[in-house]
Formats: sequence, structure tokens, C-alpha cells
Amino acid sequence: DQQVKQNSPSLSVQEGRISILNCDYTNSMFDYFLWYKKYPAEGPTFLISISSIKDKNEDGRFTVFLNKSAKHLSLHIVPSQPGDSAVYFCAASVGSNYQLIWGAGTKLIIKP
Amino acid sequence: EAGVVQSPRYKIIEKKQPVAFWCNPISGHNTLYWYRQNLGQGPELLIRYENEEAVDDSQLPKDRFSAERLKGVDSTLKIQPAELGDSAVYLCASSLGLDGGNEQYFGPGTRLTVT
Repeated sequence: DQQVKQNSPSLSVQEGRISILNCDYTNSMFDYFLWYKKYPAEGPTFLISISSIKDKNEDGRFTVFLNKSAKHLSLHIVPSQPGDSAVYFCAASVGSNYQLIWGAGTKLIIKP
Repeated sequence: EAGVVQSPRYKIIEKKQPVAFWCNPISGHNTLYWYRQNLGQGPELLIRYENEEAVDDSQLPKDRFSAERLKGVDSTLKIQPAELGDSAVYLCASSLGLDGGNEQYFGPGTRLTVT
């Protein structure tokens, strides 16, 4: 049973436009969510996080939105740049339990 | 600041052979994780250490996998004997732990191929 789902295996976006990556979860106990970016042959790199007490967190071109009632979060990248081409993973955890439950990832391709 | 270091980066072995992976976490990070990642999937936790204590090893296949973190710094993950299904990328990560937040910092991983 996948508790964290990223239903889009891949996404293609024109350079300069907005990229929106989606993530759904089933466990209502999750209260901390993270996005990681992964380039080929490298480990995942932390990108941005959000606590369940917030519904939005912004860091430069990256914004994460959390909709607790829908158990849905999204990552917005504006404007998209070629260097953003990577696999993006959504992960979630319960409070101080440091076990992260990961989605399967979405491959983002930014077209020039 | 140096990141998480892992070695080797790649390993090819025949089934039934032993293999070991090494990880050196970020200095000062008390929590260390070993993950396995299969193609097209997210990382799956194998074991988590708080200092030298393994606090979560529920998903470690203990019949063939073992891990240690002597002195609470670097760590070794071993598979003996390896099976074809063990082919994957093995990732090590570290975090501050306790009140330091859930952000985990990953090494580049070891890609294991079992033939």
C-alpha cells in the first residue's frame, strides 16, 4: 500500500513556464512533507519542506502548497530553467518519527 | 563542508558473493540512514542509527544483511550472500537528528549489480 503517491512518472515543460509537480498521500498522520531533487548518478538533494501547520512555503523559485483536506501537495517552480530537469521525489513523515515515506518520483524535463 | 561520502560508487559481483558498502556522514550528524532504491521507485529505508544505536531496522532483511556504526560516525552495510534481487542503488543519508529537523542529506549512492 503506497502511502505517498506521485501519479505522473514524467512531465515536460517549456523553459520559462511554470512546472507543477503533484503528490498525494493517504496517511492523515503525516505532518511534515519534503521535496527532493535527484540528478542521474547522484543522491537526492533536499529542496523544500512544509509543516502541516502551514499551507504554503516559498523559497525563491520554489513554492510548496499543502491541502490537508485533500491530502495533496504540489511543488511549483517558476520560472522553469533547464537545470531543473531532474527527478523530483515527494516524501512525508509523522512528527518526530524520522522515517520518511517516499513517492516513486516524477521526471521533469525542461524543454529549451 | 563535506557532504556524505560513500564508497564504492559501483560494484558488480556474482550471486552468492559477499559485498560491503561504506558511508561517512556529515560531521556532527547524529542520525544515519541506509536506503535501497530500485529503478523507478523512491528510496526504501533499510536501517536508521541514532549515534551508534540501530533504532529502526524493521525493514532490514536480517538473514543476509547486516550493518554497523561503530563509534557513532561512519557505517558499513554488508550483504552476504548477495542475490540477484539485491541489484539496486544503496544510499546513505545523515541528518542532525532529535530537534534538528527531518532534512536528510544523501551521498551519491553505490550502484550494485548482482549477476
